[in-house]
Amino acid sequence: DGGITQSPKYLFRKEGQNVTLSCEQNLNHDAMYWYRQDPGQGLRLIYYSQIVNDFQKGDIAEGYSVSREKKESFPLTVTSAQKNPTAFYLCASSKDRGGSKNIQYFGAGTRLSVL
Amino acid sequence: QKEVEQNSGPLSVPEGAIASLNCTYSDRGSQSFFWYRQYSGKSPELIMSIYSNGDKEDGRFTAQLNKASQYVSLLIRDSQPSDSATYLCAVLDSNYQLIWGAGTKLIIKP
Repeated sequence: DGGITQSPKYLFRKEGQNVTLSCEQNLNHDAMYWYRQDPGQGLRLIYYSQIVNDFQKGDIAEGYSVSREKKESFPLTVTSAQKNPTAFYLCASSKDRGGSKNIQYFGAGTRLSVL
Repeated sequence: QKEVEQNSGPLSVPEGAIASLNCTYSDRGSQSFFWYRQYSGKSPELIMSIYSNGDKEDGRFTAQLNKASQYVSLLIRDSQPSDSATYLCAVLDSNYQLIWGAGTKLIIKP
């Protein structure tokens, strides 16, 4: 079955620790995205990538880092510099970034909490 | 700053009635518009996409777009308890970035 797999489903971070959220897709999509969702708020874009080895900052990139070494994979690292990381993290992908092709499909999400 | 506005709700609708959800956007250059449904604790799933003025129907769902008024809506006919969820409006702006509304919580009362 084609889809987007995020892991883990739940993650706990200790003070000063970096944690990495995994996102893998087998939809053959070029574009991938990371969003953060806080209660009662819309999705906010952290990073996006249109092609392998290229990614761009979104609206709230500070304290986060990404890599895109393979088309299928777009991991997100939440660094210790992100002081308020507790949120629901969503990975999405789309065929492309423009026009009707930019229908974004989502993984099941990772819920990150601070210990 | 480009914005997408939605009434946060909750919007309470009796079972079997029509639910009407509304969304306004600020970027006149926007070309693509999407409605996603998000159940509590789950990720968003696409319900409808619309690209030109007018109505687009898919089963019990109708999306309506009015670019002159910068307004997009979603109608749900014969509302069912399973339609209870938060509905997110998303607008693809002139820079190909998807701008999200905060969502409207819909409650269908049996």
